Amino acid sequence: DGGITQSPKYLFRKEGQNVTLSCEQNLNHDAMYWYRQDPGQGLRLIYYSQIVNDFQKGDIAEGYSVSREKKESFPLTVTSAQKNPTAFYLCASRRTALGEKLFFGSGTQLSVL
Amino acid sequence: QQPVQSPQAVILREGEDAVINCSSSKALYSVHWYRQKHGEAPVFLMILLKGGEQKGHEKISASFNEKKQQSSLYLTASQLSYSGTYFCGTGYNNNDMRFGAGTRLTVKP
Repeated sequence: DGGITQSPKYLFRKEGQNVTLSCEQNLNHDAMYWYRQDPGQGLRLIYYSQIVNDFQKGDIAEGYSVSREKKESFPLTVTSAQKNPTAFYLCASRRTALGEKLFFGSGTQLSVL
Repeated sequence: QQPVQSPQAVILREGEDAVINCSSSKALYSVHWYRQKHGEAPVFLMILLKGGEQKGHEKISASFNEKKQQSSLYLTASQLSYSGTYFCGTGYNNNDMRFGAGTRLTVKP
C-alpha cells in the first residue's frame, strides 16, 4: 500500500545534540512538507520541497535543516540551534497540481531530555 | 502569511450545528479543510478550488467566497465523532501550504 512513513514515533534529544527525523513516501509525490505543532496549536510550516535537490524555507526554518536527495525522502534535522525543539512534527506530501490534497505521516513526538 | 480562523473553540451538544470561518489577507486560489484528533495526523475533508464553490462531505460542507477571500465550513447535526481540531489551509507561493491556527470543536452528548 502507498503511504507516507515517519520514524521514529518518539525521539529524545539531549542538550547540544542534532537529531534527524525521517520521512519517506512511496506515492510518487513531488512536493513534501514539514510542519511543527505545539500543544493546542496549529501547524506551522518549517520547510517544503517541490522537486529533488530543491527546498524552500517556511515560517519557522531557523534551527532546522532539510535535504531532498531522493524523491521519496525528505529528512528533517533539528539542530542544536533550535532551543525549544519539543513538539509534534508532521511530514506531508502531495502531487504538485492545483487542488491536490496533502497526505500526512503519523508524526514524530520530539522531547528534550 | 497564514489564514485566520474563527472561532478558536466551539462546544456543541449532539445534533447542533456549527460554522467555522477561514479568511486571508491575500488572494485565495484554493482552500483545504482537515480535521485532526488528538495525537493523530490531520485527515482530509475537502478542497475548494474556485470562488463560489460549495462541497459536501456527509453532513459537513463548505463554501468559498473568492471575492471576500473567505471560506466557511458547515457542520450540520453534529455527532460525537465530529470532535477534533479543524484546520483550513491554503497556498500562497510555489506550492507552499500554510494552515490557520485551528478551531477546536467539542461535541457533547
